[in-house]
Amino acid sequence: EIVMTQSPATLSVSPGERATLSCRASQSVGTNLAWYQQKSGQAPRLLIYGASTRATGIPARFSGSGSGTEFTLTISSLQSEDFAVYYCQQYNNWPKTFGHGTKVEIK
Amino acid sequence: QVQLVQSGAEVKKPGSSVKVSCKASGGSFGGYSVTWVRQAPGQGLEWMGRIIPILGVATYAQKFQGRVTITSDKSASTVYMDVSSLRSDDTAVYFCARGGYCSGATCMRRWFDPWGQGTLVTVSS
Repeated sequence: EIVMTQSPATLSVSPGERATLSCRASQSVGTNLAWYQQKSGQAPRLLIYGASTRATGIPARFSGSGSGTEFTLTISSLQSEDFAVYYCQQYNNWPKTFGHGTKVEIK
Repeated sequence: QVQLVQSGAEVKKPGSSVKVSCKASGGSFGGYSVTWVRQAPGQGLEWMGRIIPILGVATYAQKFQGRVTITSDKSASTVYMDVSSLRSDDTAVYFCARGGYCSGATCMRRWFDPWGQGTLVTVSS
């Protein structure tokens, strides 16, 4: 099973600042990597797939990069609605595994 | 645009079973797989298994093998997940989500989207 490790566990950021979230896979997943945003009491929402392609309707301030084992999600200028938990997920191998999440909180 | 609509919250006794449904609203699952993911209170996301609805073929995470059964009703565009021998640590929100497009039993690698709204299952004596 591929283990996905996200860091940091919690990120404290002021509105308008840049947030950089990391995700590492225990073995290569190519670019078969997705990012999801989850707000309290809601289902996860797809942000990024293919490591760097924004899903439909996702603002341009969200960007993804990386390949192989190292991936990054960047939120260029945090808005109030962006404070949430973010998960990465590999879909290259079975079982499809998630990271434990990074909580982005208001500083 | 297909949406996934799940059944309502359940409260169950330890040792009993629960069946959660996931219906494709505004369309059908077509040739896509449907996956189940659960989230215990305050915890992360855990993949449980998936089904190819047009074939009725399911695959399970090793952890849930033998205790989870995923089935489909093509005519109703609905997928079901049955969890038996419930324990307190099965208390979680259960989500369904659409996965990859399948040609026969072979499915494309794909992210999960869209997701159902989630179903809270509480296991308590």
